Amino acid sequence: SAVISQKPSRDICQRGTSLTIQCQVDSQVTMMFWYRQQPGQSLTLIATANQGSEATYESGFVIDKFPISRPNLTFSTLTVSNMSPEDSSIYLCSVRGGTDTQYFGPGTRLTVL
Amino acid sequence: AQTVTQSQPEMSVQEAETVTLSCTYDTSESDYYLFWYKQPPSRQMILVIRQEAYKQQNATENRFSVNFQKAAKSFSLKISDSQLGDAAMYFCAYLSNSGYALNFGKGTSLLVTP
Repeated sequence: SAVISQKPSRDICQRGTSLTIQCQVDSQVTMMFWYRQQPGQSLTLIATANQGSEATYESGFVIDKFPISRPNLTFSTLTVSNMSPEDSSIYLCSVRGGTDTQYFGPGTRLTVL
Repeated sequence: AQTVTQSQPEMSVQEAETVTLSCTYDTSESDYYLFWYKQPPSRQMILVIRQEAYKQQNATENRFSVNFQKAAKSFSLKISDSQLGDAAMYFCAYLSNSGYALNFGKGTSLLVTP
C-alpha cells in the first residue's frame, strides 16, 4: 500500500478566496484522484490527475473551479477557487495501487465562512 | 453507471458480538471489484477488505469477512468479535474492471457499545 500525506489537514477560509491542497505519495503512481466528501455524505470523485496530461473532470466539476496540477509521479495539488460556504467539505486524494485498490490520504477538512 | 446501495444508515453492536452490514449494487458487467472502506472520526479512509467478482471464494481479513452473492448482486460485511475501535462509517464501493473511479454507497454508521 502507498503512504499518502495531505496539507493542510484543515483550514478555515473566507468566501471568495482560494485554497490549494497538496497531496504527496511515497512512491511513483500513474493515477491520482481527488474526491469531495460533503458533510454527512459519501465520496464523490472530482477528477483524475495523470502526470503529463490535463486532469479529467467528472460531471459537475470544472477546471476553473477546481484546477489541478500533477507535476510529477508523486505529487498533485487541488485548488478550490472563489470559495463559497457550499465548498465546505473534506477533500481527499487517493492513488491506485496494485490489485486495483485505491488508497486514500488523511483528507483536508475545509470550512468556508 | 453502477449504483451502490447501503440500506442501513446506522447499526449498533455490542462489544464481542457479530454484526453484518449490507450492500447491494447494480451492474451489467461480469468482471469488477468490490471494497469495504472504514472511515473513523479521524476521516482517514481505510481499506477493510477487497473482493474480485471472478472469485467465488469470499474474502476474509482477520475478524472481517464478506458474503459475496454475485447473482444477487449483494456484498455484505461481517465483523466478528466487535471492538470499540471498529466504530466508524463503513462504505461499500464498486470498481469496474474497465474503469478507474470508485462508486461509493452512502455509508453505514456503526456504533459499538461496551
